[in-house]
Amino acid sequence: DVKVTQSSRYLVKRTGEKVFLECVQDMDHENMFWYRQDPGLGLRLIYFSYDVKMKEKGDIPEGYSVSREKKERFSLILESASTNQTSMYLCASTLTGGRTEAFFGQGTRLTVV
Amino acid sequence: LAKTTQPISMDSYEGQEVNITCSHNNIATNDYITWYQQFPSQGPRFIIQGYKTKVTNEVASLFIPADRKSSTLSLPRVSLSDTAVYYCLVGLNSGAGSYQLTFGKGTKLSVIP
Repeated sequence: DVKVTQSSRYLVKRTGEKVFLECVQDMDHENMFWYRQDPGLGLRLIYFSYDVKMKEKGDIPEGYSVSREKKERFSLILESASTNQTSMYLCASTLTGGRTEAFFGQGTRLTVV
Repeated sequence: LAKTTQPISMDSYEGQEVNITCSHNNIATNDYITWYQQFPSQGPRFIIQGYKTKVTNEVASLFIPADRKSSTLSLPRVSLSDTAVYYCLVGLNSGAGSYQLTFGKGTKLSVIP
């Protein structure tokens, strides 16, 4: 079974804190993604990575950064958390190519107070 | 970018067949069409994928016309447990080997007893 594991299911942080969300996949997938999901807005892509140390901005990268030092791990970083970053964060991974499916983690519900 | 457009919501009675159509006018030659299902507080999960004509698995069927500018997800005899948000996804290559997955807002299907 493919597994995408996010480090926390629920997280509460204070405004201004630096926040790390970790994602690990065990299927040697090249591509990894971070999304946030808010009511009525669907899944919005924050950043994605197609190889170690490679990253590309998605649709809403502002206020976020990412790190991919190892193939299996993709980290989302909130440099200075703000209340408008309260959301559900989802990590996903895929193989490269058109015929592929994305596997998602269970999500991290982050609350910034 | 192959943007997708789906209805925001649909209602159906138990036991009926449900068809959800997605339009993707700018689909690229090498793009596959993939559908995902998402229950509340969970990450999306893969349902079905196709390139052209018809694909069927144990969960659903996917109909893709010759011009590939739209696709229809068909769920036979829905039950209450099929109440979820359904996303149509058209993957795209953004160059240098990367593969971006962009979700729309999805279709919220409500199955009524």
